[in-house]
Amino acid sequence: QKEVEQDPGPLSVPEGAIVSLNCTYSNSAFQYFMWYRQYSRKGPELLMYTYSSGNKEDGRFTAQVDKSSKYISLFIRDSQPSDSATYLCAMSTTQGGSEKLVFGKGMKLTVNP
Amino acid sequence: GAVVSQHPSWVICKSGTSVKIECRSLDFQATTMFWYRQFPKQSLMLMATSNEGSKATYEQGVEKDKFLINHASLTLSTLTVTSAHPEDSSFYICSAFRDSEQYFGPGTRLTVT
Repeated sequence: QKEVEQDPGPLSVPEGAIVSLNCTYSNSAFQYFMWYRQYSRKGPELLMYTYSSGNKEDGRFTAQVDKSSKYISLFIRDSQPSDSATYLCAMSTTQGGSEKLVFGKGMKLTVNP
Repeated sequence: GAVVSQHPSWVICKSGTSVKIECRSLDFQATTMFWYRQFPKQSLMLMATSNEGSKATYEQGVEKDKFLINHASLTLSTLTVTSAHPEDSSFYICSAFRDSEQYFGPGTRLTVT
């Protein structure tokens, strides 16, 4: 079993849809959970960062962590064509990824106008 | 913001030759840099952690004599793929750690023919 599992998609939705992206993990030592967005031929950029179980909201984005189920989610409301990218979940045992980040495969999202 | 650059962005080399990839933090100093590798439809996988002025720490299964890492200054880390083979063809991404976050470079696509 891989440490982090993420459905690679691809996922195609119409503009304005609510998008739900998910990852599961097996290592209970993970304490920090991140979502990165990666555009084609670019490096990943940090989108959301959470530590504890619960929800964290930033504009149209909500990150959710359920440590008891080892399950994290990213919700995108009112999706826009500019949200089209690959979304990767990442996890770490240390704050901010000062050490190893373990990534999911990434979900390729396309938002159609 | 924190900007990380990589050079070259794309390189093709013949089997048996060596290739050097540079990773630079442009507007900050980074004592720790990371090198990741991403095969098509696979996760970003950490290869090694590079600390300025000391030897790199390699992940299990990564050959340190094949992937030479030099972190000679606080703004530059280099990855040299020695005696490259077609199976080394991949997307190599570096990141630099600052203030509880890893900032990623745009990546280098290596093709070995």
